[in-house]
Amino acid sequence: NAGVTQTPKFRVLKTGQSMTLLCAQDMNHEYMYWYRQDPGMGLRLIHYSVGEGTTAKGEVPDGYNVSRLKKQNFLLGLESAAPSQTSVYFCASSYGWGSASYNEQFFGPGTRLTVL
Amino acid sequence: GESVGLHLPTLSVQEGDNSIINCAYSNSASDYFIWYKQESGKGPQFIIDIRSNMDKRQGQRVTVLLNKTVKHLSLQIAATQPGDSAVYFCAETSYNQGGKLIFGQGTELSVKP
Repeated sequence: NAGVTQTPKFRVLKTGQSMTLLCAQDMNHEYMYWYRQDPGMGLRLIHYSVGEGTTAKGEVPDGYNVSRLKKQNFLLGLESAAPSQTSVYFCASSYGWGSASYNEQFFGPGTRLTVL
Repeated sequence: GESVGLHLPTLSVQEGDNSIINCAYSNSASDYFIWYKQESGKGPQFIIDIRSNMDKRQGQRVTVLLNKTVKHLSLQIAATQPGDSAVYFCAETSYNQGGKLIFGQGTELSVKP
């Protein structure tokens, strides 16, 4: 199993450009998440999905959109990139969530995005 | 979670010593806590978790302690090895939050051979 994969690994954008980050998981997980990590900080949740066709806002959703058209894929879009979105983006997935579920979130290797 | 900043707290230990990494969490309603390890250039990796109805949980070479009275979490690593060098994050959440984790700032552990 590849686990959680992210495409691309690196990207440089100019202010105002758009792009889509792709996350794929082959573990048949229901839940998927997008986080951003800034230098010297922990991860912050951008958006998440509890199943195919569903999305929900996390802690820092402004400036981002997401889609979960297929269970194995979770896309993160930046419609008009800004320098404040320079960060490392991590995708994660989990089997489920809850007190009776197996909750471990598996993370991808990250995408390093620079917005000039 | 912890205060935001650009400089991570650091802990330097000698190989073979025990390490203790501390974390103060922010929400008294949180009922589930996780420790993650992040090596340079990689995504976080799950280490161990603990539910709020427990105050201690042990794994392989790791122990997590939870003190809900003072909202404090600690990770103890026994016989620390060079491969343990990484940044360690605590995360808090509630079971009714659908997997929304709140991460702390992180602590950088450096193991001297």
